[in-house]
Amino acid sequence: ETGVTQSPTHLIKTRGQQVTLRCSSQSGHNTVSWYQQALGQGPQFIFQYYREEENGRGNFPPRFSGLQFPNYSSELNVNALELDDSALYLCASSYHRAGSTDTQYFGPGTRLTVL
Amino acid sequence: DQQVKQNSPSLSVQEGRISILNCDYTNSMFDYFLWYKKYPAEGPTFLISISSIKDKNEDGRFTVFLNKSAKHLSLHIVPSQPGDSAVYFCAASASNTGNQFYFGTGTSLTVIP
Repeated sequence: ETGVTQSPTHLIKTRGQQVTLRCSSQSGHNTVSWYQQALGQGPQFIFQYYREEENGRGNFPPRFSGLQFPNYSSELNVNALELDDSALYLCASSYHRAGSTDTQYFGPGTRLTVL
Repeated sequence: DQQVKQNSPSLSVQEGRISILNCDYTNSMFDYFLWYKKYPAEGPTFLISISSIKDKNEDGRFTVFLNKSAKHLSLHIVPSQPGDSAVYFCAASASNTGNQFYFGTGTSLTVIP
């Protein structure tokens, strides 16, 4: 069974640039959630994708956007990068069943630094 | 607005003793709770979960207790081992919010050999 993988591991960008982070979900999972973890904080929910559609969004501006592909992999795109976007970005996959809350399994994260 | 709180940033315990990590929440709609363990440079690893219909769930050395009236949950690790040294996060979700999990800020556990 393949776990959740993310790429790249580290990334350095400058303010105003755009970035795309990628995630491959665990085998058998159909849902992907993205989280931002700032230094010293817990992960904060950005959004979730299920069946290629956004299925819930946290308190993040529209310049944070995402995609889910037919193979359940996902991308997180951030436009107009700001210094405060520097964080660890975590992807979590799960198997969604109607009427239940699903345990989410995390990838190793992508460390984004905005200069 | 921090809906899940872990008020102890760090905890040190002797090997073989019990580690107790605490978590409080404010949203009475939360009905599913999880604990994750995180090592540096790795993503959080799922440890144990509990549904609001239970007040205890046990898995080996790990037991989670839920007190709904106090909006409090705790993770007990017995006996503690040096390999348990990590940051522990509690997370909560309400079934009507589409699986959005709210995380605490974490407690760094150090198990002293």
